[in-house]
Amino acid sequence: KNQVEQSPQSLIILEGKNCTLQCNYTVSPFSNLRWYKQDTGRGPVSLTIMTFSENTKSNGRYTATLDADTKQSSLHITASQLSDSASYICVVSAGGGFKTIFGAGTRLFVKA
Amino acid sequence: DVKVTQSSRYLVKRTGEKVFLECVQDMDHENMFWYRQDPGLGLRLIYFSYDVKMKEKGDIPEGYSVSREKKERFSLILESASTNQTSMYLCASSIYDGTGKNYGYTFGSGTRLTVV
Repeated sequence: KNQVEQSPQSLIILEGKNCTLQCNYTVSPFSNLRWYKQDTGRGPVSLTIMTFSENTKSNGRYTATLDADTKQSSLHITASQLSDSASYICVVSAGGGFKTIFGAGTRLFVKA
Repeated sequence: DVKVTQSSRYLVKRTGEKVFLECVQDMDHENMFWYRQDPGLGLRLIYFSYDVKMKEKGDIPEGYSVSREKKERFSLILESASTNQTSMYLCASSIYDGTGKNYGYTFGSGTRLTVV
């Protein structure tokens, strides 16, 4: 069964600290993996997209990693800011067709 | 930048009403999608369309229909709204690269629908 599991469900950190969010998937055949940021009451916004051959990709203070062998991805946020408070959603697409599986998201709270 | 616009941010409807949610994108994308998002469940695909007048059922199409008469517009229709359709509805579009693979969804801001 194609699944995407994210952990933790929620996370509280202090402003300026780093954090890492996890995504494990069982989607097959794998096509690509994306991380989205969703502010409360808004639609998700793309942060990174990685294909099978890519194992790291950065977007400013956000760095995503992908281990296609263990089917795990992580999103590392460096020097967190209050504006990083949001839900972070891991999305995995299967090869061919339109099969896309969304994780339930990790809710990040950054405190001053 | 691609822009996906949903007509309403918040909507309150009565049980049994017919509800139309409109979505317009301005970058000539072939693919358009409707998702609903509920706490703890993530995004679930209702319907998608890969061309004008073409539509495919997603994972939870029951109680919904869609219309795509023009390439830029994809409408979600709740034929007879029920309280269990209270949710956040998200429209998205993406480019078709010819291989059937999906890259880079662009989402609208969402419509929070409450059915009372």
